[in-house]
Amino acid sequence: AQKVTQAQTEISVVEKEDVTLDCVYETRDTTYYLFWYKQPPSGELVFLIRRNSFDEQNEISGRYSWNFQKSTSSFNFTITASQVVDSAVYFCALSEAAGGYQKVTFGTGTKLQVIP
Amino acid sequence: KAGVTQTPRYLIKTRGQQVTLSCSPISGHRSVSWYQQTPGQGLQFLFEYFSETQRNKGNFPGRFSGRQFSNSRSEMNVSTLELGDSALYLCASSLEQLARTDTQYFGPGTRLTVL
Repeated sequence: AQKVTQAQTEISVVEKEDVTLDCVYETRDTTYYLFWYKQPPSGELVFLIRRNSFDEQNEISGRYSWNFQKSTSSFNFTITASQVVDSAVYFCALSEAAGGYQKVTFGTGTKLQVIP
Repeated sequence: KAGVTQTPRYLIKTRGQQVTLSCSPISGHRSVSWYQQTPGQGLQFLFEYFSETQRNKGNFPGRFSGRQFSNSRSEMNVSTLELGDSALYLCASSLEQLARTDTQYFGPGTRLTVL
């Protein structure tokens, strides 16, 4: 069964600290996609990154970096030098084909609070 | 290019009423999906429409329905509202049918409160 676990419900850090958000997934498919979304208080989910199951290269985008490890079924997200604007709920999601359609499963989200 | 838009942003209804929510996808996107977000259940998939046809459906009662128009705009309807239907309803659009695992882009959501 498809499952995404974000064990960290809430994290608080002081501004400029680094923080890592964990994401562990379960799937029986060999082809799948992983996503991270950010949901600020306004409610809109903002797409951050997409990674397919064949691409295990780490990705860095500014202060954001992602570590994908198939061996541990993890797709962790690190924010370097956190800022108050990073305060939001972050969702990890897993997408795989199911009966010819895409099935997307979201984790329960990690609420990040960056304290000035 | 404009993002996904949803109207209305906020809605207050009473039990037993029905409600219609609207979503306009990003220009050129043909797939629209709807999600319900609640504190207790998280983000749950409602259904997906592509080319005016419902392609995929989550595990929700028949009170939840939707449709898609020829311009890809979509509406979802909830009939006989219950208190538990209070939630943030999010619409997401993607370029093609989700079977090709496109990235979904989300709108700001409609906050529905059922009294």
